[in-house]
Amino acid sequence: RKEVEQDPGPFNVPEGATVAFNCTYSNSASQSFFWYRQDCRKEPKLLMSVYSSGNEDGRFTAQLNRASQYISLLIRDSKLSDSATYLCVVNSGGYQKVTFGTGTKLQVIP
Amino acid sequence: SQTIHQWPATLVQPVGSPLSLECTVEGTSNPNLYWYRQAAGRGLQLLFYSVGIGQISSEVPQNLSASRPQDRQFILSSKKLLLSDSGFYLCAWSSELLRYTFGSGTRLTVV
Repeated sequence: RKEVEQDPGPFNVPEGATVAFNCTYSNSASQSFFWYRQDCRKEPKLLMSVYSSGNEDGRFTAQLNRASQYISLLIRDSKLSDSATYLCVVNSGGYQKVTFGTGTKLQVIP
Repeated sequence: SQTIHQWPATLVQPVGSPLSLECTVEGTSNPNLYWYRQAAGRGLQLLFYSVGIGQISSEVPQNLSASRPQDRQFILSSKKLLLSDSGFYLCAWSSELLRYTFGSGTRLTVV
């Protein structure tokens, strides 16, 4: 089993739709979780951290389910500018090391 | 604020030629530094990480090497490039909270 797994997509959604991605992780001892956004041919950028209690940043909501070992990202009222690949990131043990998922591609269509 | 610079942005090199990619960080001291590679349509692969000057840990055995001659400088090198070395190379630094900031990347094509 991979350390971090994501559905590669693509998820094609109309503007204004709500879309959710999940990411599963294998290391039950993982403590830190993040979502990054990567635009085509650009570097990944931190979108948000994922806290145990869940957290929200505008149209974006991230949640953690430790029992089932997955994190989720919900995007409400999708915008064309949300089109990107969303990378799930989990700390993988060891000093200051994380594992990046391969990403879920989102395409928001007019 | 912290910034990270990486160059060049694109590079086309023949097989067997050497490689040197440089990355520098500003606005922070003793950062943890990383080199990642992203092959086309694939995830980020950690190549090297460094927690201090002269301290390099290699994650994947290959014909690449890394060096950290100064606190905020991280260099990725190869003596002889292979076709399989083509990819998108990203330098990054992380805070204590494991939040990564990436450079703008170098797109390397080995021909």
